[in-house]
Amino acid sequence: DADVTQTPRNRITKTGKRIMLECSQTKGHDRMYWYRQDPGLGLRLIYYSFDVKDINKGEISDGYSVSRQAQAKFSLSLESAIPNQTALYFCATSDPPRGLAGPNTGELFFGEGSRLTVL
Amino acid sequence: QKEVEQNSGPLSVPEGAIASLNCTYSDRGSQSFFWYRQYSGKSPELIMSIYSNGDKEDGRFTAQLNKASQYVSLLIRDSQPSDSATYLCAQGGGSTLGRLYFGRGTQLTVWP
Repeated sequence: DADVTQTPRNRITKTGKRIMLECSQTKGHDRMYWYRQDPGLGLRLIYYSFDVKDINKGEISDGYSVSRQAQAKFSLSLESAIPNQTALYFCATSDPPRGLAGPNTGELFFGEGSRLTVL
Repeated sequence: QKEVEQNSGPLSVPEGAIASLNCTYSDRGSQSFFWYRQYSGKSPELIMSIYSNGDKEDGRFTAQLNKASQYVSLLIRDSQPSDSATYLCAQGGGSTLGRLYFGRGTQLTVWP
């Protein structure tokens, strides 16, 4: 089983519908992230969370909300989906790199992705 | 806004050649740098991380970091068709504590 699991893997919906993408992890990491990927635009950060009580906006949070239900679960919601939210969404986890001092950021471990199409 | 720029692709090299991928970044406080490989339709997977100036080698892969010039590169020696993928550069640390900023990626094709 994957360490970082996303559901659903594929979803087609209509404009105005509410959509939730779920992410669960068994890696025991505190930090969790939601990214979206569009062709030619790389990965862009939507929201991130360093622990259950910590939620932070990323570069492109408008139109999205998140919930950190537990250390292992981080959900992304689109309250009213619109076509330009059609993208591939990735959940990721990380921990600070061990043995390194200073404000380092550890590697990200990605889920398999959720492809969302909004018609 | 932190900028991570990757050399424009696509990049095409013959099998057995050296593929060179480059990345520049704007945040001088960055301390963590990563190269991810992403096959079409798949999730990114880490292939190299580098935190100190200089070279870091892992098999056919070498990452090079130059903090003074704010660039990081990835060399792939003896390129194989299986190396054909999109390569993403990412930086973190410094003022982007706990976050990674990604470049747009460079698509590499290795032809037999």
